[in-house]
Amino acid sequence: DTEVTQTPKHLVMGMTNKKSLKCEQHMGHRAMYWYKQKAKKPPELMFVYSYEKLSINESVPSRFSPECPNSSLLNLHLHALQPEDSALYLCASSQEPSNSPLHFGNGTRLTVT
Amino acid sequence: GEDVEQSLFLSVREGDSSVINCTYTDSSSTYLYWYKQEPGAGLQLLTYIFSNMDMKQDQRLTVLLNKKDKHLSLRIADTQTGDSAIYFCADPNQAGTALIFGKGTTLSVSS
Repeated sequence: DTEVTQTPKHLVMGMTNKKSLKCEQHMGHRAMYWYKQKAKKPPELMFVYSYEKLSINESVPSRFSPECPNSSLLNLHLHALQPEDSALYLCASSQEPSNSPLHFGNGTRLTVT
Repeated sequence: GEDVEQSLFLSVREGDSSVINCTYTDSSSTYLYWYKQEPGAGLQLLTYIFSNMDMKQDQRLTVLLNKKDKHLSLRIADTQTGDSAIYFCADPNQAGTALIFGKGTTLSVSS
């Protein structure tokens, strides 16, 4: 069982849709992350929130918009996505923003049609 | 920039030992990590080693770290079919603020 919960597990959306991915952790971790993973590839960092503030944006297109409403929640708002954005989106958290192990959720499998 | 390299495939028989190898470039890392990913799942933290250690043992898992050669290995003793998965080596970026993953080693265990 994972202590980082992601919803939904699967999402199919059209290119004109707006949807959101949600992530929640109750371990008191102060850093939260979004990673994108394509099939047969390693996870790639998208965003890092440190103490609820965006600290890293890895040049992600603006059609992906992260939000951290509080220390336990992390959202990823999606708008006008492309089929190549189809992937597994993984949320993770760590106790501190640096030099702490990351704990991952099970991901949201996103398909853009 | 930072880079993490792993061999892509390893095939073993049930009961044998598995050794998965990894090399990394950033020598300032405080910790180095091993993650396991089963099909359709997220990444599970398996174990990690502090950079001033040479070895760490945790039940069937043994991690060896050679800082001079920037080489990390994960040994799984008595490998079981349930160990079949992708294993990722991960090294923090230079600022220590995120993890850089290797390409992953697919471990296949046959009975």
